[in-house]
Amino acid sequence: AQSVTQLDSQVPVFEEAPVELRCNYSSSVSVYLFWYVQYPNQGLQLLLKYLSGSTLVKGINGFEAEFNKSQTSFHLRKPSVHISDTAEYFCAVSDSGGYQKVTFGTGTKLQVIP
Amino acid sequence: ETGVTQTPRHLVMGMTNKKSLKCEQHLGHNAMYWYKQSAKKPLELMFVYSLEERVENNSVPSRFSPECPNSSHLFLHLHTLQPEDSALYLCASSQEGQSPDTIYFGEGSWLTVV
Repeated sequence: AQSVTQLDSQVPVFEEAPVELRCNYSSSVSVYLFWYVQYPNQGLQLLLKYLSGSTLVKGINGFEAEFNKSQTSFHLRKPSVHISDTAEYFCAVSDSGGYQKVTFGTGTKLQVIP
Repeated sequence: ETGVTQTPRHLVMGMTNKKSLKCEQHLGHNAMYWYKQSAKKPLELMFVYSLEERVENNSVPSRFSPECPNSSHLFLHLHTLQPEDSALYLCASSQEGQSPDTIYFGEGSWLTVV
């Protein structure tokens, strides 16, 4: 069984400040990790994903995440946030099943303050 | 535009009504999904169709009935719903292969049961 924990339900941050959104996972098999973003009144879209290789993954809109196997974490970071980054962010884990079974976290709402 | 289109975007229905949600993907994917998104809860995977065959049914009540007539279309038929079924219903698609690929989401259908 796999699970994802996003400890912070809301993260307020001032514009141009750095931000880190935390994600921890558990899985009994090899994992594939994702961060999705959901802007108001929209569906989810992929920010970045880790499948294998380099543990530092760069995504769209200046976001990056680091896979840490020993700490079972996949935290999302951005060095300087913009108002347009205000959205809800979902961490997700997938196993290597024949069809994709993705488990999502409960989401973290990022509120960028002008 | 994610390549996954959902209609209607908003639906209000009474508990005795019968309605359907429609999803169409233009990405050539071979797997389609229905997710339920409720406030303060993780995304719930409801159904998965892979190569037009239902491969996942996560203990969803029978008042929700999916239909996948071909690889591009997915329906969710709704009948005698309850107020707690009010939520955002997200359709998604992906290309299933040897490693997990990105899930592409539609913008969702907001369902209100009165």
